Amino acid sequence: DSGVTQTPKHLITATGQRVTLRCSPRSGDLSVYWYQQSLDQGLQFLIHYYNGEERAKGNILERFSAQQFPDLHSELNLSSLELGDSALYFCASGTRGPGDTQYFGPGTRLTVL
Amino acid sequence: GQNIDQPTEMTATEGAIVQINCTYQTSGFNGLFWYQQHAGEAPTFLSYNVLDGLEEKGRFSSFLSRSKGYSYLLLKELQMKDSASYLCAVRRSGGSYIPTFGRGTSLIVHP
Repeated sequence: DSGVTQTPKHLITATGQRVTLRCSPRSGDLSVYWYQQSLDQGLQFLIHYYNGEERAKGNILERFSAQQFPDLHSELNLSSLELGDSALYFCASGTRGPGDTQYFGPGTRLTVL
Repeated sequence: GQNIDQPTEMTATEGAIVQINCTYQTSGFNGLFWYQQHAGEAPTFLSYNVLDGLEEKGRFSSFLSRSKGYSYLLLKELQMKDSASYLCAVRRSGGSYIPTFGRGTSLIVHP
């Protein structure tokens, strides 16, 4: 158990819908990273927040957005969902931001039908 | 950008030793990570190398040669539970500090 929690564990929805994934980092960690993992793409970095501020963006679609709240939990919002958005979404946390080892949560499996 | 290459799949026998290689090309280097990921589960941190040489941690060791752009993960006394995907991730210096992950090596340990 990494200490990072993610909810929900599974999510099934339809195309065109919007969902919110939630992540709580390890106690004391200020950084939250979001990743998408699909069978054909591997682990793809989406976005990084540090102490409430966006620090880096990766291959994140405009339909996706995220935020980190004052209590340091983070939410990833996915809208206008498409079949290709079906994937495992992982959140990871770390202590200092740049140069951190990342500890991953259990992930949310999103299925878009 | 970065290119990270790992074998797609490897098989080994329980009790044996296996070496999983990772080669990378990057403009600037600031650390290499190895993660273990069982199917459908979260990646779990195994090791971090930033200087050349071997880091040993129980049955697992990781080696880095920065001049060759090369790392390997060595697993000794293989157990069935070591069947998993092993991800190599490289972090660049300057610019983005977010590690880029390779596609992973699926290791199958058989009796």
